[in-house]
Amino acid sequence: GNSVTQMEGPVTLSEEAFLTINCTYTATGYPSLFWYVQYPGEGLQLLLKATKADDKGSNKGFEATYRKETTSFHLEKGSVQVSDSAVYFCALSDTGRRALTFGSGTRLQVQP
Amino acid sequence: DAGVTQSPTHLIKTRGQHVTLRCSPISGHKSVSWYQQVLGQGPQFIFQYYEKEERGRGNFPDRFSARQFPNYSSELNVNALLLGDSALYLCASSSRSRGDEQYFGPGTRLTVT
Repeated sequence: GNSVTQMEGPVTLSEEAFLTINCTYTATGYPSLFWYVQYPGEGLQLLLKATKADDKGSNKGFEATYRKETTSFHLEKGSVQVSDSAVYFCALSDTGRRALTFGSGTRLQVQP
Repeated sequence: DAGVTQSPTHLIKTRGQHVTLRCSPISGHKSVSWYQQVLGQGPQFIFQYYEKEERGRGNFPDRFSARQFPNYSSELNVNALLLGDSALYLCASSSRSRGDEQYFGPGTRLTVT
């Protein structure tokens, strides 16, 4: 079956540091890949997505590239802010688009 | 435009009781999905409905059921509650044209005592 593995957190960074959160996946077919963010006490917000190999999703300074050869979709940001502190979830959708499979989440803490 | 709305926000129930959670999708979205998020974990897929028909079901017991109404709103029902059902229940909606993008509501926090 489908699965998503994320690096364990928490990840603690100083403001303006470079961020990488690793995500690898196992899936049949050609899934779409997503990053969602969850701020404290809130639901999930779609951050970015990529639908095919070598696609790069980007939003709010965050980027991730769909790497089929390494089955990875790592999230990066060049300069984090305190407001980026949240839990980040990597996810994939099955070929039929009927369900999202999520990783366990990575908590990011950015200190001023 | 309003996003996905869910009610109630919080709920406390006793073991063995029944609960109904409600969700209204984004206007124009005809697909609704339900997820369970246990504290410290990623959401787990429960159901997906499209045009009032069940399109997918996750690995949850028959105590969990759902339905979708003609206005595309949805209910999730859980019978014979167990302590392990305590979680944040998330509803997500999607459009037919961008079906792989799911937009989530704020969730209902269910506590079973």
